Amino acid sequence: QKEVEQNSGPLSVPEGAIASLNCTYSDRGSQSFFWYRQYSGKSPELIMSIYSNGDKEDGRFTAQLNKASQYVSLLIRDSQPSDSATYLCAVNIIQGAQKLVFGQGTRLTINP
Amino acid sequence: EPEVTQTPSHQVTQMGQEVILRCVPISNHLYFYWYRQILGQKVEFLVSFYNNEISEKSEIFDDQFSVERPDGSNFTLKIRSTKLEDSAMYFCASRRGAVRTDTQYFGPGTRLTVL
Repeated sequence: QKEVEQNSGPLSVPEGAIASLNCTYSDRGSQSFFWYRQYSGKSPELIMSIYSNGDKEDGRFTAQLNKASQYVSLLIRDSQPSDSATYLCAVNIIQGAQKLVFGQGTRLTINP
Repeated sequence: EPEVTQTPSHQVTQMGQEVILRCVPISNHLYFYWYRQILGQKVEFLVSFYNNEISEKSEIFDDQFSVERPDGSNFTLKIRSTKLEDSAMYFCASRRGAVRTDTQYFGPGTRLTVL
């Protein structure tokens, strides 16, 4: 069974601080990793993808991947109240249809 | 920017009734998916569809479920005889190709309520 694990939170961070979200995965053959943001009652919205070890930056967001440790993280700099949402880590299972396997999500609250 | 659309946004039905959830994937995408999310739980894969056939399905996708691409643009999920436990958000997703950098884009979802 391919698993993706996240701390469900809630994670509370003051406005302007760095929010750090973590994810581990079990399938060592996984090659594509995604962070989706989900507001309550809405669909997942892609915010970052990462495929190689190291860091990938996009604006206030940085994704980090360590395949040896099977670990993916997302950093949000200068957190804003609008960043308050559930953040879903997803791993692309390369066999077959390349479905996404999601973690349970981390609920993030940014306090003004 | 192209997007995945889904209708209806909310469907209420009685247990035992059939429902059809509709999706219009992004037009040049080739891979289509249905996922569901029961309230408070994780997003779960149901089925994938490519080249007019199911390419993979999960153990959730039993004989009560079926998918179809009837006209080259719509992609439907049918639940033949709904159960209370089918109440969930159902998300359609599409993907351009099978390259690892091809991303799945999600529709807004259909909230299914089975009474």
